[in-house]
Amino acid sequence: QKEVEQDPGPLSVPEGAIVSLNCTYSNSAFQYFMWYRQYSRKGPELLMYTYSSGNKEDGRFTAQVDKSSKYISLFIRDSQPSDSATYLCAMTETLWWQNFVFGPGTRLSVLP
Amino acid sequence: EADIYQTPRYLVIGTGKKITLECSQTMGHDKMYWYQQDPGMELHLIHYSYGVNSTEKGDLSSESTVSRIRTEHFPLTLESARPSHTSQYLCASSEWRGSGTEAFFGQGTRLTVV
Repeated sequence: QKEVEQDPGPLSVPEGAIVSLNCTYSNSAFQYFMWYRQYSRKGPELLMYTYSSGNKEDGRFTAQVDKSSKYISLFIRDSQPSDSATYLCAMTETLWWQNFVFGPGTRLSVLP
Repeated sequence: EADIYQTPRYLVIGTGKKITLECSQTMGHDKMYWYQQDPGMELHLIHYSYGVNSTEKGDLSSESTVSRIRTEHFPLTLESARPSHTSQYLCASSEWRGSGTEAFFGQGTRLTVV
């Protein structure tokens, strides 16, 4: 079993839809959780960062962490074609980046 | 946009050749990283550095080597390229920001070994 699993996708939604992207993990010691967005032929860029359980909102994006279920989600409201990208979750026990574990990513297409 | 640059963006090279992938950042970050990413697969850490003269191997076994002679520069070298080295290579650097840490990634180098 992989340490971090992510919905494989690809996922296609119409413009304006609410998108839910999810990751599950097996290491209960993970405390720090990130979501990265990666456009085609580009490097990943940080979208959201959360510590421990709870919700965090930033504009149209909401990150949710449920440590009891070892489950994290990223919600995108009013999705736009410009949101079309691969979304990677990443997590770690500490803030040392060499210990970050990435999910394989979910490719999202938002259709106009 | 992050100030971290990778060259070349694309490289096609023959088996047995020596290659160096360049990575430079202008943000003064101490920590730098090299990841390997195959299509549809997760990023795998192959090398990292805490600062000048510091290099460590990551989780993924790699036949590459790195050096960190200057803070801003973290090149990755393959002494003898093989088709199994075909992949995308991503360089990143990170900083501590009080409320957390963020890594900035370069655009990547897509390497094809024929």
